Amino acid sequence: DGGITQSPKYLFRKEGQNVTLSCEQNLNHDAMYWYRQDPGQGLRLIYYSQIVNDFQKGDIAEGYSVSREKKESFPLTVTSAQKNPTAFYLCASSPDWGRLDFGAGTRLSVL
Amino acid sequence: RKEVEQDPGPFNVPEGATVAFNCTYSNSASQSFFWYRQDCRKEPKLLMSVYSSGNEDGRFTAQLNRASQYISLLIRDSKLSDSATYLCVVSPNTGGFKTIFGAGTRLFVKA
Repeated sequence: DGGITQSPKYLFRKEGQNVTLSCEQNLNHDAMYWYRQDPGQGLRLIYYSQIVNDFQKGDIAEGYSVSREKKESFPLTVTSAQKNPTAFYLCASSPDWGRLDFGAGTRLSVL
Repeated sequence: RKEVEQDPGPFNVPEGATVAFNCTYSNSASQSFFWYRQDCRKEPKLLMSVYSSGNEDGRFTAQLNRASQYISLLIRDSKLSDSATYLCVVSPNTGGFKTIFGAGTRLFVKA
């Protein structure tokens, strides 16, 4: 079945640690995105990529980094510079403008 | 002013009731409009696209009013399973990509 796979489902980060969230899609979508969702709030865009080897900062990119070496993969690294990383992270891909298909998400907490 | 605004609710309705949500957007150049459904601690899932002429999918009807810059979602004959958060999503189709999510409207359908 085609879809978007995020892993892990739950992740715990220690102080000063970098952690990487995985996102893989087999939908052949060019565009991929990372969003962050905090309780009671809307989704906020961290980074997006419209094509392999290219990505753009979203509204809250500070403390995060991404890569897009393959069309299928768009991993997100939460660096130690992100002081408030606890959130629900959602990866999405898009076949065209606007409509997004989401992975099941990763819940990140700080130990 | 937020780019996409929704009444956060919650809307508490009995089974069988009709309930309507509105969403306003600020960018008059927006081209694509969607309603997503998000269950607790899950990823958002596309409920329906919203077309200028209005569209219906079973018990759900979506409408777009470009002049007043709002979209609406009507749910008829509410079911317990309709309990969720409904996200209004607006996107430009041209130039730089940026899809904006509303913070969502919570719906509780009671027996």
